[in-house]
Amino acid sequence: GAGVSQSPRYKVAKRGQDVALRCDPISGHVSLFWYQQALGQGPEFLTYFQNEAQLDKSGLPSDRFFAERPEGSVSTLKIQRTQQEDSAVYLCASSLKLGADQPQHFGDGTRLSIL
Amino acid sequence: GESVGLHLPTLSVQEGDNSIINCAYSNSASDYFIWYKQESGKGPQFIIDIRSNMDKRQGQRVTVLLNKTVKHLSLQIAATQPGDSAVYFCAEDPGAGTALIFGKGTTLSVSS
Repeated sequence: GAGVSQSPRYKVAKRGQDVALRCDPISGHVSLFWYQQALGQGPEFLTYFQNEAQLDKSGLPSDRFFAERPEGSVSTLKIQRTQQEDSAVYLCASSLKLGADQPQHFGDGTRLSIL
Repeated sequence: GESVGLHLPTLSVQEGDNSIINCAYSNSASDYFIWYKQESGKGPQFIIDIRSNMDKRQGQRVTVLLNKTVKHLSLQIAATQPGDSAVYFCAEDPGAGTALIFGKGTTLSVSS
């Protein structure tokens, strides 16, 4: 069955460039989450959506980070003017609906390297 | 007092042994907990979950125990196999299915 799909799997960019990371959630999943995972650490929350509404963006590290989900399905995480500290794995997760007892299902992430 | 299982960053076991992975969570208000398995180069994979109104839940070869008094979770894996080798994370949901808070991972290594 189709799980959460993320693209690209790997992205290398030079410092100062803009990048865009894509997430295709599981079909029918209302909630979508973005996490950042540094090497050897657990995922850390960035932002989440319920349908097209961004309900919480408190985890975004700076105003260089921007996420959207315009039609309530596919989401894009954009990072402007990338810095070396942005290097990490960016994980997307989706769940059937907002609420308890709904496990989040993760994609395999985009590994971002900033040179 | 009641002892709490220590979190170990790594755990090495022999194939066929039972494994116990411990986790302390941070928020007393958390009412939903999930264990994930993460293999190298992959995203976290759902293993088992438990609500705060339960203290034990069993799956296939896995059991999760929840002790709310000391804010502690454990994952027990029966008859551990080489394919179980991975990093295991516990995650807590502080409420309303929003951002998960992940604990420190434990790297499980299974030798045959």
